[in-house]
Amino acid sequence: GEDVEQSLFLSVREGDSSVINCTYTDSSSTYLYWYKQEPGAGLQLLTYIFSNMDMKQDQRLTVLLNKKDKHLSLRIADTQTGDSAIYFCAESPFRSGSARQLTFGSGTQLTVLP
Amino acid sequence: GAVVSQHPSWVICKSGTSVKIECRSLDFQATTMFWYRQFPKQSLMLMATSNEGSKATYEQGVEKDKFLINHASLTLSTLTVTSAHPEDSSFYICSARSRTSGTDTQYFGPGTRLTVL
Repeated sequence: GEDVEQSLFLSVREGDSSVINCTYTDSSSTYLYWYKQEPGAGLQLLTYIFSNMDMKQDQRLTVLLNKKDKHLSLRIADTQTGDSAIYFCAESPFRSGSARQLTFGSGTQLTVLP
Repeated sequence: GAVVSQHPSWVICKSGTSVKIECRSLDFQATTMFWYRQFPKQSLMLMATSNEGSKATYEQGVEKDKFLINHASLTLSTLTVTSAHPEDSSFYICSARSRTSGTDTQYFGPGTRLTVL
């Protein structure tokens, strides 16, 4: 089955850039997502990328996709304390005739130090 | 737009009782809703896929008689945890897929924290 992996922890200084990495196994992934989860809350969609794209930028967020290596990254520029949260990478494999389901990584706990 | 709510946000119940959790899409219609379970410091595990007007599809290892799902309308799905036990304590999150969405985006609810004593 599909597998999505992330490193568990990342600490950065306020103002620095954060890079959160993710690898996946399903070569048929059509959509790849980044979600943010703050303590005790549900998931907030940050951004997504189609598998035929290499990069997507949205304000402070930059998503890079290396489809050959099945590697996805999320870069947060000028990281702020409010960015401290768990970040989940997720993929949506294409399944003909059925609702597309998400497979989540384990989540990366980002801690922003003052 | 694309707001999903859950009710209640937290619930504490005694072992053996049943608990119902509601998931609503507030400003869009959702033919498909998903129910996830999340243990502390772990990722989301899909429990079941709920389709409006039909039976839910459960993931392997999820007891359908214990976790009853009803998707009676395009804006409401409910998850009932029957005869709850302490090991059912968890964070339950639903998501809804927009019917008119051109992308494969799920919108998540804020979650329901269930504690079974």
